[in-house]
Amino acid sequence: GDSVTQMEGPVTLSEEAFLTINCTYTATGYPSLFWYVQYPGEGLQLLLKATKADDKGSNKGFEATYRKETTSFHLEKGSVQVSDSAVYFCALSTHGGATNKLIFGTGTLLAVQP
Amino acid sequence: KAGVTQTPRYLIKTRGQQVTLSCSPISGHRSVSWYQQTPGQGLQFLFEYFSETQRNKGNFPGRFSGRQFSNSRSEMNVSTLELGDSALYLCASTGQGDTGELFFGEGSRLTVL
Repeated sequence: GDSVTQMEGPVTLSEEAFLTINCTYTATGYPSLFWYVQYPGEGLQLLLKATKADDKGSNKGFEATYRKETTSFHLEKGSVQVSDSAVYFCALSTHGGATNKLIFGTGTLLAVQP
Repeated sequence: KAGVTQTPRYLIKTRGQQVTLSCSPISGHRSVSWYQQTPGQGLQFLFEYFSETQRNKGNFPGRFSGRQFSNSRSEMNVSTLELGDSALYLCASTGQGDTGELFFGEGSRLTVL
């Protein structure tokens, strides 16, 4: 079945360091891909998305490119801040307009130290 | 515009009891989904409702059920609670045409003793 695999955490970085969180997927058809972020004590919120191959999603300095050939959607940020500390979830949706079901990865905890 | 509202935020139940959780979606959103979040299993899809109809269901036992009302508000019910049902239950709503762009509430944290 469809699945998402993302790197284990926690990832601990110093402020202004470069961030990469790896995400790969397995899916039939052509999924849409997402990164969601969960700050402490809050629900999830959409960070960025890409709906077709070679699309790049970007938001708040974060970027991810939909790579069909490697089935990947790695999250990157050039310079992290303490306020970026959160859990990041990679997710996919394969059913188009028929459903809003998302399949999530296990989440990666990011801790940014000043 | 107000976000997704879930009630109650926290609750404690004992094994064998049942619980009902409520979710009010963003105004105008007709799709409501429920997810269970646990440290061991991560985020798992429970079910999705659209215009009062369940259109997708995850792999959970029949003790987990839900419904949606004509005003798009949704409830989920868990009967005969087990210790393993302790989790954060997240509700999300979606506007038409924004497939995958879910707006989540803060969740209802259920503890089963």
